[in-house]
Amino acid sequence: GQQVMQIPQYQHVQEGEDFTTYCNSSTTLSNIQWYKQRPGGHPVFLIQLVKSGEVKKQKRLTFLFGEAKKNSSLHITATQTTDVGTYFCAGRVTGAQKLVFGQGTRLTINP
Amino acid sequence: NAGVMQNPRHLVRRRGQEARLRCSPMKGHSHVYWYRQLPEEGLKFMVYLQKENIIDESGMPKERFSAEFPKEGPSILRIQQVVRGDSAAYFCASSPPSRHTGELFFGEGSRLTVL
Repeated sequence: GQQVMQIPQYQHVQEGEDFTTYCNSSTTLSNIQWYKQRPGGHPVFLIQLVKSGEVKKQKRLTFLFGEAKKNSSLHITATQTTDVGTYFCAGRVTGAQKLVFGQGTRLTINP
Repeated sequence: NAGVMQNPRHLVRRRGQEARLRCSPMKGHSHVYWYRQLPEEGLKFMVYLQKENIIDESGMPKERFSAEFPKEGPSILRIQQVVRGDSAAYFCASSPPSRHTGELFFGEGSRLTVL
């Protein structure tokens, strides 16, 4: 079945350092989404990417959808303590409606 | 516009009892998803429903688990004869009918503890 793998599982950085999480799917995706979950909270939608090679930016966050539509990344520039949480990618296979989540990358930050 | 409402937020059950988790989607949303999250782990897809229909239940365990989304009222995830391994956070998410390939709006989750 469809699998979405995400690395690293954990990342600890100093405040101000950059952070990247990577997402790989076993199958070609129709779209990929990213969510953030704060400790003890629920997932909150960040962005959706649809086109091959698409790049989107939200302030210090940069999202990429690979050319083959099987991988994606999220890069945070100059992390802040408010960035703490777990970042999940989630993908849909073309024709399917269920959204399959990666295992998430838990980001912790040393102030 | 109220968000996705889940209740109870916390539920404690003894082994062998039944757990019923309820989810009211956002107003105007007719698609509901249920996910399970074990501590320190990701979100595992369980089931996707539309009003009165189960669309995809490929993530549901074959036994003891069932879900429904009736024409009136909330979606319900039912776990019969709970075991300790069922302890987890259960998240419901909804999406509007015209954007079934779009973002999901999550509730705050129901945290089930089985003693």
